[in-house]
Amino acid sequence: DVVMTQSPLSLPVTLGQPASISCRSSQSLVYSDGNTYLSWYQQRPGQSPRRLIYRVSNRDSGVPDRFSGSGSGTDFTLKISRVEAEDVGVYYCMQGTHSWTFGQGTKVEIK
Amino acid sequence: EVQLVESGGGLVEPGRSLRLSCTASGFTFGDYAMTWVRQAPGKGLEWVGFIRDTVGGATTEYAASVKGRFTISRDDSQNIAYLQMNSLKIEDTAVYYCSRAPPWELPDWWGQGTLVTVSS
Repeated sequence: DVVMTQSPLSLPVTLGQPASISCRSSQSLVYSDGNTYLSWYQQRPGQSPRRLIYRVSNRDSGVPDRFSGSGSGTDFTLKISRVEAEDVGVYYCMQGTHSWTFGQGTKVEIK
Repeated sequence: EVQLVESGGGLVEPGRSLRLSCTASGFTFGDYAMTWVRQAPGKGLEWVGFIRDTVGGATTEYAASVKGRFTISRDDSQNIAYLQMNSLKIEDTAVYYCSRAPPWELPDWWGQGTLVTVSS
């Protein structure tokens, strides 16, 4: 099974400052069709998850452009250019290349 | 507007069965895979399984933790996906989310979830 490892697990950030979350997979996530099925999800307190990014770097409709995804192979990153109060929550990476697996989650909170 | 509404959760004893439903609206149901993801209290997200769309043959895949006990099915005429859970264990206690996945993509829309509590 593919293991997804996120770091850090807790991320205190100052409003207006950038934040970065790492996600590493135990195997390459490049599928036979050439695509990499890696998505990022945000789960605000008390809410359902919401997809932010799909296939590494494609932002979903309605997602602010301060969110960006990057990476390749086994190493991926979600960046928030300037953290806002509404960004508080837990962020998960998820892979869909080798069955499906979530990372453990990274809790973003305001300092 | 896309809507996914889960129902059927509740309190059930270990070893018993429960069936969850996910009623969809606002999109062409048959064009999407339907998936179930769960979240134990205070824990992270765990993928449970999915059923592919009609073009994909409506075939299913399951996480190892539920394979052989849980079954996902779909009724495209009613726009409903089901999660049949048998031989429930205490560790199956979680909020169960239904979500849809576009062909060859990961889930892009989620329901509000339904709580399943397995306890004697």
